[in-house]
Amino acid sequence: GAGVSQSPRYKVAKRGQDVALRCDPISGHVSLFWYQQALGQGPEFLTYFQNEAQLDKSGLPSDRFFAERPEGSVSTLKIQRTQQEDSAVYLCASSLRGVNNEQFFGPGTRLTVL
Amino acid sequence: SQQGEEDPQALSIQEGENATMNCSYKTSINNLQWYRQNSGRGLVHLILIRSNEREKHSGRLRVTLDTSKKSSSLLITASRAADTASYFCATDGDTGFQKLVFGTGTRLLVSP
Repeated sequence: GAGVSQSPRYKVAKRGQDVALRCDPISGHVSLFWYQQALGQGPEFLTYFQNEAQLDKSGLPSDRFFAERPEGSVSTLKIQRTQQEDSAVYLCASSLRGVNNEQFFGPGTRLTVL
Repeated sequence: SQQGEEDPQALSIQEGENATMNCSYKTSINNLQWYRQNSGRGLVHLILIRSNEREKHSGRLRVTLDTSKKSSSLLITASRAADTASYFCATDGDTGFQKLVFGTGTRLLVSP
């Protein structure tokens, strides 16, 4: 399909492990966002890319979180030394820059840290 | 932290009834959007209303916006079981045009 895809859909990690979550945005979308959604809550902004430039990373909760989008398309969110409080659904969204700001979301990756 | 809150937190109705959800936010905005999230799925964009608009319609959806009260409402008419989902409002806040700030969501259950 032509939508945003994310992989893996589910990830179980032991505390202290590193994880990498992948996002494939809609082709041609300039903007890419990562959000974190805790159980029963609304999504919370983590970081934003415009092409390959990370313009806003104010939502990243700690320096254990790192995101990249080296070629302005696929993005990876990496969490080092995972903690139990990192357990959440990680959502990726993309949008055409300057067009109504409608963001198209992927299905998310559900991360469980044991 | 969340931008605001949605009310009610949960709503249970019968098919055919109307469902109204309210959203309050904290800062000035350029636009407000409503999203739906089905269990186990990503967020689906429903409708966007700009800060200079007061009401907008899309099919069975009607959204109102009162910037003086920093509030919005989403009305779903003639609800269907397939409307069962969580509904979130999202604003672009006052930090720019890109980042979305979501409310806490309303969980809607429509029974056949």
